[in-house]
Amino acid sequence: EAQVTQNPRYLITVTGKKLTVTCSQNMNHEYMSWYRQDPGLGLRQIYYSMNVEVTDKGDVPEGYKVSRKEKRNFPLILESPSPNQTSLYFCASSRLTNGWSYNEQFFGPGTRLTVL
Amino acid sequence: RKEVEQDPGPFNVPEGATVAFNCTYSNSASQSFFWYRQDCRKEPKLLMSVYSSGNEDGRFTAQLNRASQYISLLIRDSKLSDSATYLCVVKGRAGGTSYGKLTFGQGTILTVHP
Repeated sequence: EAQVTQNPRYLITVTGKKLTVTCSQNMNHEYMSWYRQDPGLGLRQIYYSMNVEVTDKGDVPEGYKVSRKEKRNFPLILESPSPNQTSLYFCASSRLTNGWSYNEQFFGPGTRLTVL
Repeated sequence: RKEVEQDPGPFNVPEGATVAFNCTYSNSASQSFFWYRQDCRKEPKLLMSVYSSGNEDGRFTAQLNRASQYISLLIRDSKLSDSATYLCVVKGRAGGTSYGKLTFGQGTILTVHP
C-alpha cells in the first residue's frame, strides 16, 4: 500500500530534550515536506526537500532541523524543544519527475507533540 | 497580510444546500492551486486541483481568477459526509524563489446538518 508513515504518532516530552520524528514514504517520491498545524493558523511549512541531500527552509524553520540522506526518509529533528513547538506535525511527499505544478501531496497521519 | 486567506467560517448548512468558499492569495507569481479536505485533525487529502479554465468534479466546482487573485470552491447538493475543513493551497512557481513552497489557508469549517 502506497503511504507516508510517521513515528511516533503521539509524544509528550519536556523542554530541552532532543527528539526526532521520523517520516518515511514508499512511493519513490522526490519531494518531501514537513508542516505544523496550529489552531487558527492552518498548516505552515517547516522544511522541504526536492531530492536527496537537498533541503530548504519553509515559512517556520526556527528550532527545527531536517536531513535527507535517503530518498524515502525525511526525519524532523528538534534539538531543544520548547513549549511553543507543541503542535500537530504532518509529513508529506509528492512526485516531481512529471513536473511540479499539479502533483498531489500525500500526507502522513500526523504526530501530536506536546512539550512541557 | 497573510499569503493565503480564507473565511474560517464555520458554515452550517442543511443537506442539499449549495455552499461556496473563497480564498485569496497575495503572491501573483503563484503557480498552482488546490483544495484539500481535512477531517477532524486527520491528514489533509486532495479534493481537487484548480485549473485556469475552472474545473468540475461531480458536485464540486473550482474556479480560479488570476487577475483578482482568488480561487473558489462550490459544493452543490451538500451531503452530511461533506462536513470537514476545506483548505486552500497555493504552490510557488517552478524555477522561482518559492519553488518547493506550499502555502495553506487557515481552513474553512463546513458542517452539513440533516
